[in-house]
Amino acid sequence: AQTVTQSQPEMSVQEAETVTLSCTYDTSESDYYLFWYKQPPSRQMILVIRQEAYKQQNATENRFSVNFQKAAKSFSLKISDSQLGDAAMYFCAYRRTSGTYKYIFGTGTRLKVLA
Amino acid sequence: DADVTQTPRNRITKTGKRIMLECSQTKGHDRMYWYRQDPGLGLRLIYYSFDVKDINKGEISDGYSVSRQAQAKFSLSLESAIPNQTALYFCATSDPGGSSTDTQYFGPGTRLTVL
Repeated sequence: AQTVTQSQPEMSVQEAETVTLSCTYDTSESDYYLFWYKQPPSRQMILVIRQEAYKQQNATENRFSVNFQKAAKSFSLKISDSQLGDAAMYFCAYRRTSGTYKYIFGTGTRLKVLA
Repeated sequence: DADVTQTPRNRITKTGKRIMLECSQTKGHDRMYWYRQDPGLGLRLIYYSFDVKDINKGEISDGYSVSRQAQAKFSLSLESAIPNQTALYFCATSDPGGSSTDTQYFGPGTRLTVL
């Protein structure tokens, strides 16, 4: 069975600095998708970035980028120039490209941004 | 207007009561999902539906039922609520077609408290 692990329950970063959130996953599949979702205090789950496993190039979205290491089954999220609005829970998620199409979520990392 | 809406946003109920959580979407997606979020556990799938005639159990369906009234509406029912069903509930939609990679889009969540 697939699993997603976020080993950092909480992280802190100084405003304008860079922070990296870790995510590892376990799967026997060769093709899949990976996602990072942000959940601010408003509770809304917001898609931050997604990565297709068949693409070697790391996905980027403005200040957000990933370091996708397929062999190591690692999918970390880097937030550059952190802003107060980045404070939130961040969830890593995995989805197979075939079969049941279910998402597997990690337990989340709470990011605090210090002014 | 929000693409995925949930009603109510907050609800307090008593043990043994029947309660329904409703989800509506204007994204035109066929696939809809219900999750619950508990602290330290991330999001867990309760039920999912790939079209009006297709309903599937997720990993924690016991004590819950669903109804897909239309493409745009997917309701979650607790027939006899119990305190350990106190959680944050999310509805989500996705579209496997195009370039979206079946990305899930979430509603704002319903916080349910069972006393």
